[in-house]
Amino acid sequence: KQEVTQIPAALSVPEGENLVLNCSFTDSAIYNLQWFRQDPGKGLTSLLLIQSSQREQTSGRLNASLDKSSGRSTLYIAASQPGDSATYLCAVLWGAQKLVFGQGTRLTINP
Amino acid sequence: DVKVTQSSRYLVKRTGEKVFLECVQDMDHENMFWYRQDPGLGLRLIYFSYDVKMKEKGDIPEGYSVSREKKERFSLILESASTNQTSMYLCASSFPGGDIGYTFGSGTRLTVV
Repeated sequence: KQEVTQIPAALSVPEGENLVLNCSFTDSAIYNLQWFRQDPGKGLTSLLLIQSSQREQTSGRLNASLDKSSGRSTLYIAASQPGDSATYLCAVLWGAQKLVFGQGTRLTINP
Repeated sequence: DVKVTQSSRYLVKRTGEKVFLECVQDMDHENMFWYRQDPGLGLRLIYFSYDVKMKEKGDIPEGYSVSREKKERFSLILESASTNQTSMYLCASSFPGGDIGYTFGSGTRLTVV
């Protein structure tokens, strides 16, 4: 079964720290992997999309990496800010064109 | 700015009512999806559509149906709303193959009383 796992479920860090969110997936035959941000009660905002042929993508203070052979992706957030507090979701697209989501990591940045 | 628009942010309906959730996208995407999101269960796929008048069941289709009469619009229908359908509903769209990723709407929080 194709599954996505995110650990930890929640993370709290002081402002200014660099941090890493983890995502693991079964079945390395992915099309792509997408990281989303979700604020409480809101929809999903796409942060980064990594194609299966890529190793990483960067946008501002965010960097996402992909290692298909080990079934892992990481989202690196540099110099964290209170506005980064949100739930971060990892989603993997396999051949059936249906995204499979992890349970998310709820991130709190403390001023 | 490209968008997926869900017609309502919040809805309150009574048990047994027929409920329509509307989703419109302006990106000419072929694929459209309906998910529901519940605490502890994450996002679960209800139905999806690859083209006009096409529909496929997702993981939890029971109690729901969909309609896609135009490419830009995908409707989720709760035939007879029940309290266990209280949830956040999220619509998404993509091109075939998902090559440039999925775009999500802002969600509809449905409460069935």
